[in-house]
Amino acid sequence: GESVGLHLPTLSVQEGDNSIINCAYSNSASDYFIWYKQESGKGPQFIIDIRSNMDKRQGQRVTVLLNKTVKHLSLQIAATQPGDSAVYFCAGTYNFNKFYFGSGTKLNVKP
Amino acid sequence: ETGVTQSPTHLIKTRGQQVTLRCSSQSGHNTVSWYQQALGQGPQFIFQYYREEENGRGNFPPRFSGLQFPNYSSELNVNALELDDSALYLCASSTPPRTPDFGPGTRLTVT
Repeated sequence: GESVGLHLPTLSVQEGDNSIINCAYSNSASDYFIWYKQESGKGPQFIIDIRSNMDKRQGQRVTVLLNKTVKHLSLQIAATQPGDSAVYFCAGTYNFNKFYFGSGTKLNVKP
Repeated sequence: ETGVTQSPTHLIKTRGQQVTLRCSSQSGHNTVSWYQQALGQGPQFIFQYYREEENGRGNFPPRFSGLQFPNYSSELNVNALELDDSALYLCASSTPPRTPDFGPGTRLTVT
């Protein structure tokens, strides 16, 4: 079946540094990807998305990169802040039928 | 925060019992999906409803069932509860191809 997984379960960064969270997916038919942030006791919160016909998309302090050749996407967070501490999930879908989530990466931001 | 609400917030049930979880979708959203998130893992797709009809299902047994009502609110029913059903249950609403908005979840504990 389809899987979307992450390389690193935990990432610790210093406040102000840039963070990079990686994700691999297995289904080459996936045409849409989302990064979600989940804080303790809360539901996933949308961060940024990207369609399969793009290789890069930028938001406020965040950038998502998509490499369809190796089925890999990453989330870059610039100038990481303590409020960025959370678990980050990537999710993929084909035609918005169902979303497959990775297991998550916990981001710890040290002051 | 999204406009998706879920009730109850927390619930404790005994093995073998039945449970109903509720979700109120964001206004204007015609699609609702349910996810199970075990501790330390990513959300797993249970099923999706579009205009009161199930239009996608993940790898969950038939004792997991759902309903979507004309006002697009939704229920998740789980019969014959098992210990492994203990998890955070997330509801997400959307109008595809828009990104799903997640609710805060219901924490179910089965003892």
